[in-house]
Amino acid sequence: EPEVTQTPSHQVTQMGQEVILRCVPISNHLYFYWYRQILGQKVEFLVSFYNNEISEKSEIFDDQFSVERPDGSNFTLKIRSTKLEDSAMYFCASSKGGEALQETQYFGPGTRLLVL
Amino acid sequence: AQSVTQLDSQVPVFEEAPVELRCNYSSSVSVYLFWYVQYPNQGLQLLLKYLSGSTLVKGINGFEAEFNKSQTSFHLRKPSVHISDTAEYFCAVAGGGADGLTFGKGTHLIIQP
Repeated sequence: EPEVTQTPSHQVTQMGQEVILRCVPISNHLYFYWYRQILGQKVEFLVSFYNNEISEKSEIFDDQFSVERPDGSNFTLKIRSTKLEDSAMYFCASSKGGEALQETQYFGPGTRLLVL
Repeated sequence: AQSVTQLDSQVPVFEEAPVELRCNYSSSVSVYLFWYVQYPNQGLQLLLKYLSGSTLVKGINGFEAEFNKSQTSFHLRKPSVHISDTAEYFCAVAGGGADGLTFGKGTHLIIQP
């Protein structure tokens, strides 16, 4: 069964450094998403991406964040200058498209980011 | 704006006993409702979803949920749990034109032998 994959599984970085989290969505999916879960808190929506542009972003997704689909398979989340409060589990998800809200979002296993 | 409340952060249940995990939502528009499960060190997996139609929805692994519009609830149930059901369970809503899912805080289901 096709699945969403994410790399790396864990990343440790120093405050102020840039990080890139990578995701490979399911191949025939058209919508892509990033979510994050700070330890002990809710899973929070960051951004959705469709047709090579951001479809929607939350208040959390400020200028420090960017997303890109550099080729036909990868979907990346970049954090330009990490802060301590960026430490979280980051989940990538994808869905087929069409009636996006009704389509199941398939989640990857997550990347645990620790900012020191 | 939507919100999801999962009142129970942990639910301990004996093996083969029934379980209900509670979820209440708040929204001013029609919503779609989802339950996801997260096993240790894994991603979120869809258990079931309600889009429209029958209010009783059956999902994978013997789980079901009932949509109750008047009580704005979408409680998850299983008649007999197994050790393998130990996981974190998340209720989520989509709607109001938003792309992203709004999640509850999750309920940790602990199965006791």
